[in-house]
Amino acid sequence: GAVVSQHPSWVICKSGTSVKIECRSLDFQATTMFWYRQFPKQSLMLMATSNEGSKATYEQGVEKDKFLINHASLTLSTLTVTSAHPEDSSFYICSARMTGGSYNEQFFGPGTRLTVL
Amino acid sequence: AQSVTQLGSHVSVSEGALVLLRCNYSSSVPPYLFWYVQYPNQGLQLLLKYTTGATLVKGINGFEAEFKKSETSFHLTKPSAHMSDAAEYFCAVSANGNDMRFGAGTRLTVKP
Repeated sequence: GAVVSQHPSWVICKSGTSVKIECRSLDFQATTMFWYRQFPKQSLMLMATSNEGSKATYEQGVEKDKFLINHASLTLSTLTVTSAHPEDSSFYICSARMTGGSYNEQFFGPGTRLTVL
Repeated sequence: AQSVTQLGSHVSVSEGALVLLRCNYSSSVPPYLFWYVQYPNQGLQLLLKYTTGATLVKGINGFEAEFKKSETSFHLTKPSAHMSDAAEYFCAVSANGNDMRFGAGTRLTVKP
């Protein structure tokens, strides 16, 4: 149980285009989902916290107009990287917290590797 | 605010040897502490976590960690390393479940 999927697992796009990444909780409902980015050989950095039906909360330094987050249902959150540039190339990982479950545990997706040419 | 320091970005051990990955934390409130493992191009898998209660926590794959409040530490150990343990390990701290902060990671190499 408690499986989180991400789609796509990898994507290559041209500079200036937008890319949407989906994060789904497959066997549970998630009121809260989180988006992280990870640069090569570095740790995970929290980008934003997404709550179903409300606006995401972004960490300091993360451009909300560039990284659009939508959490329209209890099982799906999407991250759209708008007007992507090479510096946006990274590994993006989402996690989900089970509704009504232990508030201190997040279940992580397998990640999406974005390469912007 | 919470933060985590992982001592040693790279640890190398021989197969069968003790694994010790160090983690020290800083937290203004009682922390929740986690260890995750990440294999190449994959997400994070929870090894173990400390919330309350027993300070010695046992996790999957033979790993365990001990919460030492006086030392603000949560080191990860495994008595005998296996080749399949080679991966990146992250220590994380959270105060409220939302604000999870990760350490820089420790890459474990296991030599045959």
